[in-house]
Amino acid sequence: DGGITQSPKYLFRKEGQNVTLSCEQNLNHDAMYWYRQDPGQGLRLIYYSQIVNDFQKGDIAEGYSVSREKKESFPLTVTSAQKNPTAFYLCASSSRDRGLESPLHFGNGTRLTVT
Amino acid sequence: SQKIEQNSEALNIQEGKTATLTCNYTNYSPAYLQWYRQDPGRGPVFLLLIRENEKEKRKERLKVTFDTTLKQSLFHITASQPADSATYLCALDGSGGYNKLIFGAGTRLAVHP
Repeated sequence: DGGITQSPKYLFRKEGQNVTLSCEQNLNHDAMYWYRQDPGQGLRLIYYSQIVNDFQKGDIAEGYSVSREKKESFPLTVTSAQKNPTAFYLCASSSRDRGLESPLHFGNGTRLTVT
Repeated sequence: SQKIEQNSEALNIQEGKTATLTCNYTNYSPAYLQWYRQDPGRGPVFLLLIRENEKEKRKERLKVTFDTTLKQSLFHITASQPADSATYLCALDGSGGYNKLIFGAGTRLAVHP
């Protein structure tokens, strides 16, 4: 079955450490996204990529970095510069078939806890 | 700035009744609006999209309306079932390019037998 795989589901890190969250898709989608979800708030866009080797900052990119070396993969690194890294991180993808109206397909998230 | 508001209080209804969830937005005129369902600990799943020139969209027991004058979308689930219990998110197309959706915080629906 096609879909998006995020790993691991739970991740624990000490403050000051960088951590990389994995996101892989086999939907053959061009665009991929990273969102952050906090209690009581809407999903907030961290980074997005419309094509391989290209990505743009979203609304809350500070303290995060990404790469898009392959169409299938869009890993997110949470650096020590991110002041409040504890959150639920969601990766998504979309096709270009319906242009701007293409729905997002989400993975099942990684819950990161930094202590 | 663009803002989406969904009722933060959970909606509790009896099985078989119609659930109605509200999504209000300000400072923007979106070309379309999407609704997603999210179960605890899982990613959102796309349900429906409605465009600004469409008043209503239906899919099985789901119905979405879009009132651009009131700046509001209503999401209805008819003949609700306990399996419909989840958090429902609305999202509108943000400015600034390709598929940059702005999400509301969601409304949790609990359907009781």
